[in-house]
Amino acid sequence: RKEVEQDPGPFNVPEGATVAFNCTYSNSASQSFFWYRQDCRKEPKLLMSVYSSGNEDGRFTAQLNRASQYISLLIRDSKLSDSATYLCVVSRQAGTALIFGKGTTLSVSS
Amino acid sequence: GAVVSQHPSRVICKSGTSVKIECRSLDFQATTMFWYRQFPKQSLMLMATSNEGSKATYEQGVEKDKFLINHASLTLSTLTVTSAHPEDSSFYICSASPSHASRGQFYNEQFFGPGTRLTVL
Repeated sequence: RKEVEQDPGPFNVPEGATVAFNCTYSNSASQSFFWYRQDCRKEPKLLMSVYSSGNEDGRFTAQLNRASQYISLLIRDSKLSDSATYLCVVSRQAGTALIFGKGTTLSVSS
Repeated sequence: GAVVSQHPSRVICKSGTSVKIECRSLDFQATTMFWYRQFPKQSLMLMATSNEGSKATYEQGVEKDKFLINHASLTLSTLTVTSAHPEDSSFYICSASPSHASRGQFYNEQFFGPGTRLTVL
């Protein structure tokens, strides 16, 4: 079983739609959780960290459930520019390697 | 945020040659750097953890004699793909984790280089 698993995707949605991505992780010792965004043939870029209390950044909301080892990302009012691959990422402690999910591809169309 | 550079951005080489990729943290010190590899439509896979002044730690299945890592300073790590073959063609990305001294505002964040696309003919 992979350490980080994500929705297979791809997600094809119209502009303005709300879309949710789910992710599960297998290592209960994981300490830090992130969502990264990767555009085609580019390096991943941090979208947001994910905290147990849940956190929001504009149209993006991330949730973490440690008991279920489940992470989610909600994107509201999708924009064309949101089209990318979204990577669920965990790490066991600060400064250690990141463990990436395979990613879920989002395509937003007009 | 902090900046990590990677050089070269793209390499095309013949089978059997060696390719050296540099990863530099430009405005912070990085005790630890990580090397990842990404094949098309796959996730980033950690190859090795590079520690300044000591030997790199390789992930299972990654040949240390084929992928030579040197982390000679707090701002530079290099990955050399020796005797490259077509199956080594991939997107190689480094990331840097700020040292404790400079962690401050960058707590628990890693910064990625722009990646090197290697094509071995």
